[in-house]
Amino acid sequence: DSGVTQTPKHLITATGQRVTLRCSPRSGDLSVYWYQQSLDQGLQFLIQYYNGEERAKGNILERFSAQQFPDLHSELNLSSLELGDSALYFCASSALVDEQFFGPGTRLTVL
Amino acid sequence: QKEVEQDPGPLSVPEGAIVSLNCTYSNSAFQYFMWYRQYSRKGPELLMYTYSSGNKEDGRFTAQVDKSSKYISLFIRDSQPSDSATYLCAMSVWRVRVGTSYGKLTFGQGTILTVHP
Repeated sequence: DSGVTQTPKHLITATGQRVTLRCSPRSGDLSVYWYQQSLDQGLQFLIQYYNGEERAKGNILERFSAQQFPDLHSELNLSSLELGDSALYFCASSALVDEQFFGPGTRLTVL
Repeated sequence: QKEVEQDPGPLSVPEGAIVSLNCTYSNSAFQYFMWYRQYSRKGPELLMYTYSSGNKEDGRFTAQVDKSSKYISLFIRDSQPSDSATYLCAMSVWRVRVGTSYGKLTFGQGTILTVHP
């Protein structure tokens, strides 16, 4: 157990809908990262937050947004969902930038 | 061309074998290298990380980095059925002035390893 929690574990929704994925980092970790894992693209970095502020952006679509709250938990919002958004979404956290600990992931299925 | 290339396998070996997993990369700015293990339907688990060229050993695992060839390897000695998983290499650009990586990890596709009893 990495200490990073993610909810929900599974999410099934329809195209065009909006969902919110939630992540609680390890106690004391200020950085939160979001990654998307799909069969064709592999594991790809989406966005990083540090103590409430956006730090880095990767290949994140404009339909996706994230935020980190004062209690350090983070949410990833996915809107106007498409079939191709079906993937595993992982959150990772770190105290030291160099060691990222991943949560169990949220499996999103868009029908 | 992807920044990080990793043979997806699958790789199947008998118990006790030495396993060699490899990645190549094209971005010279990558200075921080990691190996993650991912069991089916689980999150990636950090196995090892290293900043420098050469070897780093941790139990049955040895990570090797050759920056001149842009090539990294993970060796698993005395492989066990419990080592059956997907192994992902990952790397990050290093911020020289600050002394840390940028945080954004670039992953290889992952190699599926099966160790047979």
